[in-house]
Amino acid sequence: DQQVKQNSPSLSVQEGRISILNCDYTNSMFDYFLWYKKYPAEGPTFLISISSIKDKNEDGRFTVFLNKSAKHLSLHIVPSQPGDSAVYFCAASDGSSNTGKLIFGQGTTLQVKP
Amino acid sequence: NAGVMQNPRHLVRRRGQEARLRCSPMKGHSHVYWYRQLPEEGLKFMVYLQKENIIDESGMPKERFSAEFPKEGPSILRIQQVVRGDSAAYFCASSPRTGIMETQYFGPGTRLLVL
Repeated sequence: DQQVKQNSPSLSVQEGRISILNCDYTNSMFDYFLWYKKYPAEGPTFLISISSIKDKNEDGRFTVFLNKSAKHLSLHIVPSQPGDSAVYFCAASDGSSNTGKLIFGQGTTLQVKP
Repeated sequence: NAGVMQNPRHLVRRRGQEARLRCSPMKGHSHVYWYRQLPEEGLKFMVYLQKENIIDESGMPKERFSAEFPKEGPSILRIQQVVRGDSAAYFCASSPRTGIMETQYFGPGTRLLVL
């Protein structure tokens, strides 16, 4: 039962353009969402998060949007840079568990072409 | 300011052997999470520990897997009698407090290969 889904396994964009990565979830108890970036042979690196009381959070080139009614969030990267090429994971915190464990999507591989 | 440390980075074991994976959380962090990533999949929660306590082990296989976080020293994930299906990347994460809105910071992972 995949509670967090990233339906696009890969995305390719041109340098300087916008990258939009999408994530859907099914559990309405989720109330904290995070995006991590992962390079090969490294651990995930925290990028940005959003709580369910907000619909947008921005940090530099990264913006996360949350649509609770659609159970959908997205990560916008603008402008995209070649160094952004990595696997991006969306994760959600299970509010009912009260332990903070994260439920991850399968990941989307972003390639930014120079 | 060191991040989360994991060792070894790579571990090769034959079927039936034991694997011990170690994790030292970030300084000041007393909460440790273990996740496993199988090939071509996302990370899956295994266990959440605080010092000397297992808080949530709902993601741990019932047999052969155990975890501890002693008062002194790193957290240990132990896999007994490894099988080929245990081959995966095992990531440890730490946070300073519990809570559903605490960011978890990950280590570089241990890549376990079972021959």
